[in-house]
Amino acid sequence: EAGVAQSPRYKIIEKRQSVAFWCNPISGHATLYWYQQILGQGPKLLIQFQNNGVVDDSQLPKDRFSAERLKGVDSTLKIQPAKLEDSAVYLCASSLEGVTEAFFGQGTRLTVV
Amino acid sequence: GDSVTQMEGPVTLSEEAFLTINCTYTATGYPSLFWYVQYPGEGLQLLLKATKADDKGSNKGFEATYRKETTSFHLEKGSVQVSDSAVYFCVGGQGAQKLVFGQGTRLTINP
Repeated sequence: EAGVAQSPRYKIIEKRQSVAFWCNPISGHATLYWYQQILGQGPKLLIQFQNNGVVDDSQLPKDRFSAERLKGVDSTLKIQPAKLEDSAVYLCASSLEGVTEAFFGQGTRLTVV
Repeated sequence: GDSVTQMEGPVTLSEEAFLTINCTYTATGYPSLFWYVQYPGEGLQLLLKATKADDKGSNKGFEATYRKETTSFHLEKGSVQVSDSAVYFCVGGQGAQKLVFGQGTRLTINP
């Protein structure tokens, strides 16, 4: 079974630039999550999708972050404009509907300089 | 809201030592509990899980028992190896709600 795919693996941008991350969840998984993991900390949920709809985006900085999940499959997370404090690993995860156990991708390491 | 508190690291042990990483949770209900592991340069992997009180999760020599009376889910291994060096996260979650992560414990095993 293919796992959660994310790209790119690494990205370096200057502050005030924009960046986008892509995630392809495990086939059949209705729930998709984006987490932000700052170095030395546990992951923090940014947004949770159930199929096409947003379930929880309470911790998403909506003035600069946006996310979409087209057709209930792939998802894109965008940051515009980026700040230095956005440097982190962005993790995508997916799970079956109504099930808590989540499967994680390898993440995208973002460095904002 | 729900929260998970786990033993702060870093933890450094010698090979074949006994490992315990403490984890307690606070929740309005009875969440499923997980231990995830993050090896250097890799993504998060599910190590083991328990979905109800008194359940014991086990994998790769690691064990954890869901103790409702103490709201704990401590991770244990009888004899650690160098390859167990990683960051371990205690995680809780209820149904379709988001996973709540502990802060992580960095484990280093010396040969």
